[in-house]
Amino acid sequence: AQKITQTQPGMFVQEKEAVTLDCTYDTSDPSYGLFWYKQPSSGEMIFLIYQGSYDQQNATEGRYSLNFQKARKSANLVISASQLGDSAMYFCAMREGLIQGAQKLVFGQGTRLTINP
Amino acid sequence: DTAVSQTPKYLVTQMGNDKSIKCEQNLGHDTMYWYKQDSKKFLKIMFSYNNKELIINETVPNRFSPKSPDKAHLNLHINSLELGDSAVYFCASSQGGVGNTIYFGEGSWLTVV
Repeated sequence: AQKITQTQPGMFVQEKEAVTLDCTYDTSDPSYGLFWYKQPSSGEMIFLIYQGSYDQQNATEGRYSLNFQKARKSANLVISASQLGDSAMYFCAMREGLIQGAQKLVFGQGTRLTINP
Repeated sequence: DTAVSQTPKYLVTQMGNDKSIKCEQNLGHDTMYWYKQDSKKFLKIMFSYNNKELIINETVPNRFSPKSPDKAHLNLHINSLELGDSAVYFCASSQGGVGNTIYFGEGSWLTVV
């Protein structure tokens, strides 16, 4: 069963608009974490933001914020004032387990975001 | 100064060969990982080491053998390469524990012909 679902294979947004990338997850573990990564066309994976299941407030990092709705099991990434450089693949990932300090991440299928000038 | 560095970045090799990918991190982390990204961009964990000890060993053919000579290095050796091994292999590291950021390297693009 898919544990992380990103339902938008591709999105096209006008520059300077805000964009929301969807992510839903499935777990019965009360302790989990959600990560978002950006993968530009050059291929590297860039960490954007993290939300822990017990965190009371939604995480924010600069133009990135995470809309965490625990009851709905969703952790959508919001990018404000989009820029051309935001064009990339975006991956949502969930920490499925912590094993002797190692975090096992399960990734979604990714969303390809294209920012139009 | 690259935090997690992998070599080589690109590797084209013939079926049946043996190859290694090396990874080094200068972040002082105690936990390192190997992930595989297939042609459909799907990322899956392969291995994880904590303080040189193998902690996570997913269902991976035993042709894949990781080795961690010290906390800062994690290498991946692949024997008898097959066409299906073509993928991007990412090394990553983090400080052990909940919620610590996992930093990825730039990836090693392996093509088996």
